[in-house]
Amino acid sequence: DAGVTQSPTHLIKTRGQQVTLRCSPKSGHDTVSWYQQALGQGPQFIFQYYEEEERQRGNFPDRFSGHQFPNYSSELNVNALLLGDSALYLCASTPAAAGGTGELFFGEGSRLTVL
Amino acid sequence: AQSVTQLDSQVPVFEEAPVELRCNYSSSVSVYLFWYVQYPNQGLQLLLKYLSGSTLVKGINGFEAEFNKSQTSFHLRKPSVHISDTAEYFCAGRNYGGATNKLIFGTGTLLAVQP
Repeated sequence: DAGVTQSPTHLIKTRGQQVTLRCSPKSGHDTVSWYQQALGQGPQFIFQYYEEEERQRGNFPDRFSGHQFPNYSSELNVNALLLGDSALYLCASTPAAAGGTGELFFGEGSRLTVL
Repeated sequence: AQSVTQLDSQVPVFEEAPVELRCNYSSSVSVYLFWYVQYPNQGLQLLLKYLSGSTLVKGINGFEAEFNKSQTSFHLRKPSVHISDTAEYFCAGRNYGGATNKLIFGTGTLLAVQP
């Protein structure tokens, strides 16, 4: 049973460019969340997707957008990259039926470096 | 949880010694609390969680934590650490009954086990 998979694992972009990160949730999970983990910090919630809609959003600008597909996989898009967007981006999945008690399963992340 | 505070950024300890990693939270409502571990270049793995009931929670790898509502704390303990426990540990909280399972993370504590 594959866990949460993310791609790419590493990527380097320059300021002003756009990036797309991808996530496949754990089998049986229909809810996907994205977190940003800056160096030396804890993960910060970006947004959560369920039934192909954004259900909740953290304190991130509109440059950060996402999408969820019918197969529950998800993309995170960041436009007009800034140096401060350099971070590890983590995807986490959970079954919606578990509600607030559900364990989040995390992928290994995509490390984005903006030069 | 409105905020989660990990008071120690780094905790050095000798192998086979006991360790306690501290976590405090603030919330105006009941909370679920979690401890995650992150090994280098990996995602987050759940160690244990407190949802309700017994305030002493046992997790994987010999770790346990105690929920203390009066002190708003959820400290993580292990009676005897191994070199392999060297990792970053994150405390996280989620409000009870929230619409999503958004987690609020602390800034992490690096557990450095020395031989």
